[in-house]
This record gives sequence, C-alpha cells and structure tokens, in this order.
Amino acid sequence: QSALTQPASVSGSPGQSITISCTGTSSDVGGYNYVSWYQQHPGKAPKLINYEVSKRPSGVSNRFSGSKSGNTASLTISGLQAEDEADYYCSSYTSSSTLVFGGGSKLSVL
Amino acid sequence: QVQLQESGPGLVKPSQTLSVTCTVSGDSISSGGYYWTWIRQHPWKGLEWIGYIHSSGSTWSNPSLNSRVTVSVDTSKNQFSLKLSSVTAADTAVYYCARDSYSGYGGMDYWGQGKLVTVSS
Repeated sequence: QSALTQPASVSGSPGQSITISCTGTSSDVGGYNYVSWYQQHPGKAPKLINYEVSKRPSGVSNRFSGSKSGNTASLTISGLQAEDEADYYCSSYTSSSTLVFGGGSKLSVL
Repeated sequence: QVQLQESGPGLVKPSQTLSVTCTVSGDSISSGGYYWTWIRQHPWKGLEWIGYIHSSGSTWSNPSLNSRVTVSVDTSKNQFSLKLSSVTAADTAVYYCARDSYSGYGGMDYWGQGKLVTVSS
C-alpha cells in the first residue's frame, strides 16, 4: 500500500486559516469516510484531532475541521495559533482492511 | 483515565526478533471492542501502521510487514505485544502502541509515549 500524499510543509500567520491536503485513491480516501488526522509535536506521541473525515474527539478545538472531496481529504485550521505549529498526519482505512498514513506535513506559524 | 506504556529491549541485533509490549491501565483490554494498535515512526520520518488486534483476538497487519509481524494479547496481564522477526537496520524506529476506539477505522485516541528500538550489531 502506498502512503497518502501530503504537502511536506505549510505555513501561515497567527489568526489566519490554512488547509492541509491528503490525497489517496479510490481504494482508500475516496472509497471510505474513514479519514483521520493527527497532530504531533516534537518528541511527543501523535494526538487524534479528527476522525471519520469531519468528527472531532471530545476536547479538541473546533478550529480543526476536516472534509473530503473525491480522493482528497483536507484539514483546515482556523484562527492559527503559535501552539498549532507541529507535524500533521492523515490516515485512511483501505480496501485491504488495513490503515495507511500520509507522509506528514510540517506546519509553521510565522 | 486510559494509559498505555511500551516496554522492551531498546537494542536488537540484525536477524533477531524485536519484541515490544504495551501495558494498558484504566481499561480492560478484553472488553469494549477496541482495536489495540501498533504504529512505528522511523527517525525523522512519518508514521507507519504496523497492525492491530481486536479485543476478540482477530488480527490485521500491514501487507509490507505481514509475514514478519505477530500481534498478540495477554488478557491476564492486560497487555498486548508486537513481535517483528528477521529485523534489519530499516526496522530502527520509535514503536508506539495505541487504542483505536472507532471500529478499527483509524481513530487512535490513546497512545503510549513510544519506545525507541535500534537494530544494530
């Protein structure tokens, strides 16, 4: 299974909104509404911030919102804050009953 | 509060078997219908899903690692384990255990802190 495609880096200024894309195929992202997003700060374990495309776990800010169109899922972070600077990973369920991650995107808050 | 903690040798020789155990507290590993998951992260790289075991005992694993991976559970100790055979330097990574609370579709909401395993002679 091939990794999902994410931009290596994205950036934005405090208060702005940014969007991170996650592109797969009809066998993963496009075939199921089972895309998740994770935030990872350096030296820390990943944290779940979105699941099933657009659902947020309890306690996660509503500044993080997910969506999907065709084979591409997206994570939008609104009202960018300094603490949002981190690596972000998408994952998707696949037609092989497995999970696949994206390569990760490094968010810089300028 | 659910907590997961990885343990095991930090150094493994090439061709040997890597073993990491995850101890779960705050939840019973045999109930709840969760998927107990292993993920790894190579140094300065992204995440890779290794596989998981359902509370029923069924397992699934990454096709690229399939023949080398064994995931098992010890309900008496509330632990689940990963064994990866015939390791090479390419298996050097931080190994995370996690709980997938959303039917095995990728919603890992509880994670261990990670265990760095180095493969070297």
